[in-house]
Amino acid sequence: DSGVTQTPKHLITATGQRVTLRCSPRSGDLSVYWYQQSLDQGLQFLIQYYNGEERAKGNILERFSAQQFPDLHSELNLSSLELGDSALYFCASSVRGRGPSSYEQYFGPGTRLTVT
Amino acid sequence: GENVEQHPSTLSVQEGDSAVIKCTYSDSASNYFPWYKQELGKGPQLIIDIRSNVGEKKDQRIAVTLNKTAKHFSLHITETQPEDSAVYFCAASTLWGYQKVTFGIGTKLQVIP
Repeated sequence: DSGVTQTPKHLITATGQRVTLRCSPRSGDLSVYWYQQSLDQGLQFLIQYYNGEERAKGNILERFSAQQFPDLHSELNLSSLELGDSALYFCASSVRGRGPSSYEQYFGPGTRLTVT
Repeated sequence: GENVEQHPSTLSVQEGDSAVIKCTYSDSASNYFPWYKQELGKGPQLIIDIRSNVGEKKDQRIAVTLNKTAKHFSLHITETQPEDSAVYFCAASTLWGYQKVTFGIGTKLQVIP
């Protein structure tokens, strides 16, 4: 158990809908990362937050957004869902956002999103 | 941006044999190379990592080597056991600044008892 929790575990929704995925980092970790894992694209970095602020952006679509709250939990919002958004979404956390002590990322169990 | 290539995509070995997974990266600024193991239904778990100022690192049956000049790094698992069966991902990142980690496509390792 990594200490990172994600809810829900599974989510089934229809095209055009909007969903919110939730992540709670390990106790004391200030940085949260979101990843998308699909069969054909592998593990893709989406976005990173550090202590409430966006710090790095990867291949995140404009239909997707995220935020990190004062209690450090994070939410990933996916809107106008398409069939191709079906994937596993992972959250990871690390102690800090930068510097040599920040590099170890601990992954949550993921949320499996199915868009029908 | 960084591009990480990983091969093979699948690997079957007999229990007790060694397994080697190879990765190449493109960005010479990358200086941190973690390896993750993902078991079915779980998130990736860091198993070993190496920084660019080190050529080799070992942890029991697992070792990682890095050739900075050739931009190659490899994972070596010796005396494989059935519980080593999983998907393994290599990744490249930088230690300084805010991280954008680029992952390889993954290698599905099957250890045959």
